[in-house]
Amino acid sequence: QSALTQPASVSGSPGQSITISCTGTKSDIGSYNLVSWYQQHPDKTPKLIIYEGTKRPSGISPRFSASNSGTAASLTISGLQAEDEADYYCSSYSGRNTAIFGTGTKVTVL
Amino acid sequence: EVQLVESGGGLVQPGRSVRLSCSGSGFTFENFAMHWVRQAPGKGLEWVSGISGSSATIGYADSVRDRFTISRDNARNSLFLQMDNLRPDDMAFYYCAKDRGPFGDYAFDLWGQGTLVTVSS
Repeated sequence: QSALTQPASVSGSPGQSITISCTGTKSDIGSYNLVSWYQQHPDKTPKLIIYEGTKRPSGISPRFSASNSGTAASLTISGLQAEDEADYYCSSYSGRNTAIFGTGTKVTVL
Repeated sequence: EVQLVESGGGLVQPGRSVRLSCSGSGFTFENFAMHWVRQAPGKGLEWVSGISGSSATIGYADSVRDRFTISRDNARNSLFLQMDNLRPDDMAFYYCAKDRGPFGDYAFDLWGQGTLVTVSS
């Protein structure tokens, strides 16, 4: 069970769009449409922003969107805002009643 | 108020045991799978274990299998994690997390504040 691979950091200017990649394997992302994404601000608990690959929970801004392709997933933040500066984690079901998180990406708003 | 509250963390010596508890309120506890997720200070998230609403389905990360045991008591709206043979690399904040569904959607839509387990002699 190796962690899903994410870039350590991504940055962008206010108003820009950024994309965070999440690379897995045939055993997790490639086999199940159960990828979720979380936002974690410093010293806060994680917050679910995407589930089942592309769906947004109630109350989550439409500026957050996601997609899956093969063994990879991606999260796009459009119209980047200062409040989006946080750590972001992907997660996937990985079979045999287990889940796996990504390595995490620190988003910096320049 | 919809919330999860963990308890039971603290300082424990390597090789010893500790039991974490999580109390849920504001939702029908038995209708949702529940999970434990941990985060070492300054590090990333790691899924630890999960249990379906009926306790019929249970899973563990390889790193804790055969040392940790997850359970729940729906009558008391409570989730537990029995942690045996603790190692220094088990030191982390342990979060209780609610699944979106009863069998395991593996999307965690409600998190507790976490309880810190420190493993040190």
